[in-house]
Amino acid sequence: DVKVTQSSRYLVKRTGEKVFLECVQDMDHENMFWYRQDPGLGLRLIYFSYDVKMKEKGDIPEGYSVSREKKERFSLILESASTNQTSMYLCASRSRTVVAEAFFGQGTRLTVV
Amino acid sequence: GENVEQHPSTLSVQEGDSAVIKCTYSDSASNYFPWYKQELGKRPQLIIDIRSNVGEKKDQRIAVTLNKTAKHFSLHITETQPEDSAVYFCAAHFFYGGATNKLIFGTGTLLAVQP
Repeated sequence: DVKVTQSSRYLVKRTGEKVFLECVQDMDHENMFWYRQDPGLGLRLIYFSYDVKMKEKGDIPEGYSVSREKKERFSLILESASTNQTSMYLCASRSRTVVAEAFFGQGTRLTVV
Repeated sequence: GENVEQHPSTLSVQEGDSAVIKCTYSDSASNYFPWYKQELGKRPQLIIDIRSNVGEKKDQRIAVTLNKTAKHFSLHITETQPEDSAVYFCAAHFFYGGATNKLIFGTGTLLAVQP
């Protein structure tokens, strides 16, 4: 069973704090993704990575950065958290194959106060 | 840029009726179209997918159709049951060459099946 695990289920942070969201997968997948889920807006891609140390901006990268030092781990960083970053964050991984299924983590509900 | 549009945003049907969700995509080079189901409080999970060289695919009560010329694809659920109630996301695979590729998701459809 593929497992994608996010470090926290719920987080509450203060405005201006630096926030780290961690994601680990155990299937040796090349591709990893960070999405943000908001009601009515679906799953919006923040950043993705197709290999170690490689990253690409998604549709809404502003205010975020990422790190992929090891193949199994993909971190999302909020440099200075703001209230408009309150959201559900979902990590996903998939292999490089075109028809590969994307496996999601359980999500992190981040509240910035 | 790459875009996937999904309609409707909400859909309410009576148990036993059919439900249809439609998506359009922007990049004619897209070649893979999965559908994910997200039950309340759970992570999205793949329910069916279709490749660009296939026009239709069926799995029990679920079917997906693809019209490459029009760049749209649809999810069909027949004989709906209360456990089909969930948010459904369509997605399209965008390939950049080399190792770079990504899935772009639609905005989701909240399906409510009334008993």
